Amino acid sequence: EDQVTQSPEALRLQEGESSSLNCSYTVSGLRGLFWYRQDPGKGPEFLFTLYSAGEEKEKERLKATLTKKESFLHITAPKPEDSATYLCAVANYGGSQGNLIFGKGTKLSVKP
Amino acid sequence: DTGVSQNPRHKITKRGQNVTFRCDPISEHNRLYWYRQTLGQGPEFLTYFQNEAQLEKSRLLSDRFSAERPKGSFSTLEIQRTEQGDSAMYLCASSFSRGGGTETQYFGPGTRLLVL
Repeated sequence: EDQVTQSPEALRLQEGESSSLNCSYTVSGLRGLFWYRQDPGKGPEFLFTLYSAGEEKEKERLKATLTKKESFLHITAPKPEDSATYLCAVANYGGSQGNLIFGKGTKLSVKP
Repeated sequence: DTGVSQNPRHKITKRGQNVTFRCDPISEHNRLYWYRQTLGQGPEFLTYFQNEAQLEKSRLLSDRFSAERPKGSFSTLEIQRTEQGDSAMYLCASSFSRGGGTETQYFGPGTRLLVL
């Protein structure tokens, strides 16, 4: 069964304390891996798409990487405004073209 | 580009009532998706459209749920005879597909439903 597991469930950081979020996946064939940010009571906001192992993408303090089994979202020198839930999702060749399979997310809190 | 919009943003209803939500996708996006999200969980796929055709429905979409996308523009999701278990955030997303690729889905703000 296709599955996405994110860890940790929650992460508390001090402002400026860098860390990484993990997304492990098991799918029949990866078409793409997506990272979204979700603020409370709002819809997910797109961050990155990764398609193949070894690929990396950066945006401000965020950097996403992809291997054959997992993806990492690295947060460098986070600020309080980076506090949010970060969702990982995959699209697979074995499944529907429309269906993204999401993990439960990592809730990040950055304290000043 | 104003993004995906959803109305209403909040809906409180009594068990047994029918509710309808609307989603307006990003203009020129030919694919439209509906997801449901409960507290502490990631979004779960319900159904999607390419233009006006409904191409897939999840087993989560019971016969009380129906979705339409007339003329391939906005979409509506109706829930008949609501149950307390239907309480959730209903998310709409849209994308542009040229066929064969893996396009990015852009989400709206969601409609939060509470069934009393």
